[in-house]
Amino acid sequence: DTAVSQTPKYLVTQMGNDKSIKCEQNLGHDTMYWYKQDSKKFLKIMFSYNNKELIINETVPNRFSPKSPDKAHLNLHINSLELGDSAVYFCASSQAGQGAGRNEQYFGPGTRLTVT
Amino acid sequence: RKEVEQDPGPFNVPEGATVAFNCTYSNSASQSFFWYRQDCRKEPKLLMSVYSSGNEDGRFTAQLNRASQYISLLIRDSKLSDSATYLCVVMPNAGNNRKLIWGLGTSLAVNP
Repeated sequence: DTAVSQTPKYLVTQMGNDKSIKCEQNLGHDTMYWYKQDSKKFLKIMFSYNNKELIINETVPNRFSPKSPDKAHLNLHINSLELGDSAVYFCASSQAGQGAGRNEQYFGPGTRLTVT
Repeated sequence: RKEVEQDPGPFNVPEGATVAFNCTYSNSASQSFFWYRQDCRKEPKLLMSVYSSGNEDGRFTAQLNRASQYISLLIRDSKLSDSATYLCVVMPNAGNNRKLIWGLGTSLAVNP
C-alpha cells in the first residue's frame, strides 16, 4: 500500500548508457514531479506534470526526458549518462488546488543513481 | 537574496530541550508554506503545512509572519528521533505552476 513508489532503488551504470526510472503513485493525485538531490543535499525540481501535461520544465539537459502515460505514473529516461548525473532522484506527487492538504508533496523513496 | 533562506545549523540540543528554527522567504506573494523533515539517505517527509493563524501538531508548532516574510518551527520536549534535517518550503504562486521553493535545510541533532 505504498503511496509513491519508485524503481529501481539503486542504479549503477557506466557513462554513456541510457537508463529509465519509474514512478507510480496511488494517492489519486493529479500532479507529479521529478527532483534531483546531489551530494550537497540541495533538492532541485526538474519536471512536473499535471494530468499528463508538462507544467514545469526547469533548465535540465535534454538528455533527460520525462514521460507521463497517465496521471498515476511519471517516468524519467536519461540518455548518454554522465558522471555529473550521479545523484538521488526523487519522485513526488501532490493534489493541486486551494485548501487544506492541497499542494502538499509526498515523496517516493528515491533512486540512487551512480554513474561510473 | 535567496528565495528561501534557513540557518543550516547544526543545532545540537539535549533531549527534552525546546528548539526553534526560522526561515525567511523573498516573494511576498507566496501562497503556501510547509515544513518537511529529511532523515539521512531518506526522502523528505511532510511534517506540517503552515497556516496563517499558526498551527500545532503535538510537540510541533508552526507560525507564519507575512509582514516580516518568515515562518518558524518550534519543537518542544525534543526526542532523539527528532534528529534530522528540517526543510522550509514555500510555494510562490497558486497558478498552474505549482513549483515549490526549497530551503537548504537546518540540521538538528538531539543528544542523550
